[in-house]
Amino acid sequence: DAGVIQSPRHEVTEMGQEVTLRCKPISGHDYLFWYRQTMMRGLELLIYFNNNVPIDDSGMPEDRFSAKMPNASFSTLKIQPSEPRDSAVYFCASSPVTGEETQYFGPGTRLLVL
Amino acid sequence: TQLLEQSPQFLSIQEGENLTVYCNSSSVFSSLQWYRQEPGEGPVLLVTVVTGGEVKKLKRLTFQFGDARKDSSLHITAAQPGDTGLYLCSYKLSFGAGTTVTVRA
Repeated sequence: DAGVIQSPRHEVTEMGQEVTLRCKPISGHDYLFWYRQTMMRGLELLIYFNNNVPIDDSGMPEDRFSAKMPNASFSTLKIQPSEPRDSAVYFCASSPVTGEETQYFGPGTRLLVL
Repeated sequence: TQLLEQSPQFLSIQEGENLTVYCNSSSVFSSLQWYRQEPGEGPVLLVTVVTGGEVKKLKRLTFQFGDARKDSSLHITAAQPGDTGLYLCSYKLSFGAGTTVTVRA
């Protein structure tokens, strides 16, 4: 299996622009997670889905962030409008079982908002 | 307040030396996971510990779960440059801040 695929790997944008991050989970995994990693706050869970349904979005920082999972093989995380404080590495992960144990992470998208 | 407190924050050692990193909490856990994250990559699961007092070995890495299931440690014997990375402990969907380990050749 190819593992979790994320695109783009790097994104540089200007404040106010819309940013869309994409994720393809491992085939057959029922759970999909979006995390954000910064030096200050570490690795934080933003939202997770089970069978394409959002289960917990309490980690989404504010209304500028939204996530969708239209089918089992694709998810997006959108930031609109983006701000410099959104600069971070965003990871997508998937899990085959309960969703709370083994997670397989993608390589991340490094976002810089100028 | 972090659910999982990791220490030390940074650790730099010479190749061949041993090291231990810690993960502590005031809560009792049903299980705990350790991940390693290399620069530019996502975290990769190393091990899951589930039983109080459990010791698991993965080549030169030894993982221990405290008897009370509130803490865990990771010991690396004869560290190599390939062990360099960020070591994260995790409980369910929460992660500690991590220990950045640098092994110098």
